[in-house]
Amino acid sequence: DIQMTQSPSSLSASVGDRVTITCRASQDISNSLAWYQQKPGKAPKLLLHGASRLENGVPSRFSGSGSGTDYTLTITSLQPEDVATYYCQQYHSVPPITFGGGTKVEIK
Amino acid sequence: EVQLLESGGGSIQPGGSLSLSCAASGLSFSSYAMSWVRQAPGQGLEWVSVISGSRGRTYYADSVKGRFTISRDNSKNTLYLQMNTLRVEDTAVYFCAKGGFGAPGSFMDVWGKGTTVTVSS
Repeated sequence: DIQMTQSPSSLSASVGDRVTITCRASQDISNSLAWYQQKPGKAPKLLLHGASRLENGVPSRFSGSGSGTDYTLTITSLQPEDVATYYCQQYHSVPPITFGGGTKVEIK
Repeated sequence: EVQLLESGGGSIQPGGSLSLSCAASGLSFSSYAMSWVRQAPGQGLEWVSVISGSRGRTYYADSVKGRFTISRDNSKNTLYLQMNTLRVEDTAVYFCAKGGFGAPGSFMDVWGKGTTVTVSS
């Protein structure tokens, strides 16, 4: 099974800050990586897939990069509405589909 | 607009059974894999099961294998999850989610709002 390790588990940043979340896979997942945003009490929302492909309607301040085992989600200018928990998910080798443990983003 | 609506959640004693449904609209249902993903209170996302589009191949997390059964009725645009021998640790919000592809290995681009399952004596 492919394990997904996300870091940090939580962060606090100021409005306008650049925020970076990393996700490491236990083996090469060949860019088969998705990022989700989940706000409290809500369903997850797909932000990016294929490591860097932005979903329609997602603000351009969100971007993804990486290859092999290491991937990054970047928010270039943190906004109050970005407060949420972010999850990565690999879909290269299934089953199982695996998620990272999540990163909780708060405003300082 | 693609919409997914789960139903069937509730409270049940350990060892009991429950059946969840997910009604889909606004899509060519049979073309896409469909998954169940759960989230225990205060915890992260855990994939439960996936069924591929037209062929209906099924896969399960080890934690539910042999107890849960995923199925779909493409004529009714509906996804199901039959949950047997429920355990306290199955307590969670259960989301259905649409895959981006027909194959089981996919991201999930549309999610339902979830249905809550509580297993307690």
